[in-house]
Amino acid sequence: NAGVTQTPKFQVLKTGQSMTLQCAQDMNHEYMSWYRQDPGMGLRLIHYSVGAGITDQGEVPNGYNVSRSTTEDFPLRLLSAAPSQTSVYFCASRYRSSYNSPLHFGNGTRLTVT
Amino acid sequence: DQQVKQNSPSLSVQEGRISILNCDYTNSMFDYFLWYKKYPAEGPTFLISISSIKDKNEDGRFTVFLNKSAKHLSLHIVPSQPGDSAVYFCAASRAWNNDMRFGAGTRLTVKP
Repeated sequence: NAGVTQTPKFQVLKTGQSMTLQCAQDMNHEYMSWYRQDPGMGLRLIHYSVGAGITDQGEVPNGYNVSRSTTEDFPLRLLSAAPSQTSVYFCASRYRSSYNSPLHFGNGTRLTVT
Repeated sequence: DQQVKQNSPSLSVQEGRISILNCDYTNSMFDYFLWYKKYPAEGPTFLISISSIKDKNEDGRFTVFLNKSAKHLSLHIVPSQPGDSAVYFCAASRAWNNDMRFGAGTRLTVKP
């Protein structure tokens, strides 16, 4: 059981480049989300999805796009990378039907934008 | 605005002693609280949770206490073990709300 899988683990981009961070889960979780972790800021929600075809913004959505075409996958797109997007990105999922179901996190993608 | 705050960036305790990690929140609408543990190069993993209808939840060596009037929760680890050394995140949400807020984390070091 792989859980939540994120690729790549590391990425270096130049300002203005675009890329997609991949996230897949094999637990049939309806809810998936993307967080970024920055020093002193904790984890901040970027975007989330409660099911295929449904996405919504979190606390810090600017500069990022998401789509959810399948239950398993929830890619995060950086349209034009900026140094402020240097961070560690975590994908997480949980069962939607139980409000107290905890999040399951992937191991993160460390992104550096130069 | 940081609605969940962990004011101690780090904590060091001796093996076998109690570790107490603290968390404060500002949004009185939060009714579900969790603690996550994170090792380097890994994602956070769920540790323990508590709903607002309780003031204490225990799971083995881990106990979470909730003081709603003070908007404060704490995680007690007894006895602390070197393997507990990690970053601990406090998180809070409202029932059925999809926006879970996290604190900045506290790095716990348990010395042998």
